[in-house]
Amino acid sequence: GEDVEQSLFLSVREGDSSVINCTYTDSSSTYLYWYKQEPGAGLQLLTYIFSNMDMKQDQRLTVLLNKKDKHLSLRIADTQTGDSAIYFCASSSPGAAGNKLTFGGGTRVLVKP
Amino acid sequence: DGGITQSPKYLFRKEGQNVTLSCEQNLNHDAMYWYRQDPGQGLRLIYYSQIVNDFQKGDIAEGYSVSREKKESFPLTVTSAQKNPTAFYLCASSRDSFQETQYFGPGTRLLVL
Repeated sequence: GEDVEQSLFLSVREGDSSVINCTYTDSSSTYLYWYKQEPGAGLQLLTYIFSNMDMKQDQRLTVLLNKKDKHLSLRIADTQTGDSAIYFCASSSPGAAGNKLTFGGGTRVLVKP
Repeated sequence: DGGITQSPKYLFRKEGQNVTLSCEQNLNHDAMYWYRQDPGQGLRLIYYSQIVNDFQKGDIAEGYSVSREKKESFPLTVTSAQKNPTAFYLCASSRDSFQETQYFGPGTRLLVL
């Protein structure tokens, strides 16, 4: 079945850039998503990219997609302490009953002052 | 305010007991989803519903049941057959099952006494 992999942990200093990486296996993925989860809370949609794009920028967030290598990354510029959270990558794949999201295990980002 | 609400925030289950988690949305979305999140892991799909009075099993449906009698409501029952119910349960909705972006509720944490 489909698989999405992420590194477990990332530590970064406040003001630096963070880069979170994700790999996926399903070549039929149509959209790829980044969600943010703060402690004890639900998932907040940060951004997404369509599979025929290779880059998308939204304020401090930059998503890069290498479809050939099935590699997705999220760059957060000028990382702030409020960016400390778990970040999930998800791929969307078409199926008979609609699109299905497959989630990675999440990357815990710790921003140090 | 438009959004997805889940209740209760915390729920305790005794051995052999069925418990029901509530999920309501006022986004006029057709599709709704239930996910389970275990510590350090990504989300796994329990059940989903593309439209009122219809629902399908996800990847880990055993020990769970759902209903979709109203568009805005998609309650999840954790039955006594679910032997390891302790987890964080997240409900999501999307405009339809072919419109990929899913929006999440705040979650319910289920604990076994």
